[in-house]
Amino acid sequence: QSVLTQPPSVSAAPGQKVTISCAGSSSNIGKNYVSWYQQLPGTAPKLLIYDNNKRPSGIPDRFSGSKSGTSATLGITGLQTGDEADYYCVTWDSRLYASFGGGTKLTVL
Amino acid sequence: QVQLQQSGPGLVKPSQTLSLTCAISGDSVSSNSAAWNWIRQSPSRGLEWLGRTYHRSKWSNDYAASVKSRMTINSDTSKNQFSLQLKSVTPEDTAVYHCVRDRTGNLVFDIWGQGTMVTVSS
Repeated sequence: QSVLTQPPSVSAAPGQKVTISCAGSSSNIGKNYVSWYQQLPGTAPKLLIYDNNKRPSGIPDRFSGSKSGTSATLGITGLQTGDEADYYCVTWDSRLYASFGGGTKLTVL
Repeated sequence: QVQLQQSGPGLVKPSQTLSLTCAISGDSVSSNSAAWNWIRQSPSRGLEWLGRTYHRSKWSNDYAASVKSRMTINSDTSKNQFSLQLKSVTPEDTAVYHCVRDRTGNLVFDIWGQGTMVTVSS
C-alpha cells in the first residue's frame, strides 16, 4: 500500500483540462520534491514533471505540476486521445525512501 | 544518447537469488550527478522503487525498507554497469524489473532500461 494517494481514475473530453492529485504527508511530499510520470500501455514510464513543476525538454507546456503543503497536482490541458495513460507521482519518504503513488488511469472520452 | 541494456534470467525458482545486470552507454556509473536505480512493477504492487547506487566522494547505496534485508546493488566501473541481487525470492517478487537513471539523484528518472519480466516459479 502506497504512502501517496492518487485517484484510481479520471476522465475528460478531448480539448478539456484534467487534474490528478497526489496526497501525502509531512514526511514525504511536505518536505521533498515531487516528480510525475506517464506510462503508455506496454511501455516504461516517461518523465513528465520533476522538482514539483519543471518540465524536461520535449514535454509540452500542456503538462504542469504544482505542490501545496502535503499534496501535489498534475494538470493537463488541451487533452488529446494520445494522453490516455497511467500517471504516477513519486517523492522521497523519510521512512521508505522513494515512494510511488498507486497510479491514476486517464481516459479521454 | 544514454542507453541502459538489461540482462538476466526471466525465470527464478522460489528461495533462489534473482540477479540482473544493467549495462550503461553514454554515461558513467561513476557519475557525480546521476544515481542508478532498480524499479519494479507488478499488477499487485504497482511501481515499486527498490534501491539505488551512486558515487559522490564515495560509493553509496540506498534500499527500500521492503527489500533491504534481501537486496544488494553493486557497481562495476570496469564494465560501466550495475547489478541487482535479490535473495530468497518468492512468487511475490514476480514483476517487470527496470534499471533506471536518475539524472540528478532527486527522482528525475529520465532513462529507463527495456525491462525484464521476472517470474518466480518452480
